[in-house]
Amino acid sequence: DGGITQSPKYLFRKEGQNVTLSCEQNLNHDAMYWYRQDPGQGLRLIYYSQIVNDFQKGDIAEGYSVSREKKESFPLTVTSAQKNPTAFYLCASSETGTSPGYTFGSGTRLTVV
Amino acid sequence: AQSVTQLGSHVSVSEGALVLLRCNYSSSVPPYLFWYVQYPNQGLQLLLKYTSAATLVKGINGFEAEFKKSETSFHLTKPSAHMSDAAEYFCAVSSSGGYNKLIFGAGTRLAVHP
Repeated sequence: DGGITQSPKYLFRKEGQNVTLSCEQNLNHDAMYWYRQDPGQGLRLIYYSQIVNDFQKGDIAEGYSVSREKKESFPLTVTSAQKNPTAFYLCASSETGTSPGYTFGSGTRLTVV
Repeated sequence: AQSVTQLGSHVSVSEGALVLLRCNYSSSVPPYLFWYVQYPNQGLQLLLKYTSAATLVKGINGFEAEFKKSETSFHLTKPSAHMSDAAEYFCAVSSSGGYNKLIFGAGTRLAVHP
């Protein structure tokens, strides 16, 4: 079945470490997105990519980096510059064009220890 | 700029009662509107979407929503709540422009009591 796979489900990071969250899709979608979710704040867009080898900053890109070397993959790196990284991270994908909606992965919960 | 406001961060209903989750949007162009559901520690699942066809949209699990342009609303309803409906619900609007960026509301947590 087609879908989006995020790994790992749970991730722990020490202060000062960079960590990378994986997102893979087999839906043949051109566009992919990373959101951060905090209690009571809904979803906030970190980065998005409409096509391979191109990506754009979202509303809260500081302290994060991404790459899009393959259509299927859109990994997110949480760098040591992100001062408050503890959150639930969601990856999504969509077709391009108007109004297709998103397909979401099951998320990665990152905790700083 | 587009925005979404969900009225009520928490809603509690009894099993079998009507579910009404409110969503108002702001958009300078005809919007596309979505409702998503999220169960604990999971991703979001699409319940239904409005794309300028019928104003009453039926979705999965017995939910429906009505687009009312005059009220800039897209409220989600279900005639009879089930315990399994307990979850967080997000309303979203798509932005204008050349791609499908979704703007999400803050979410409404629905509790269903026996």
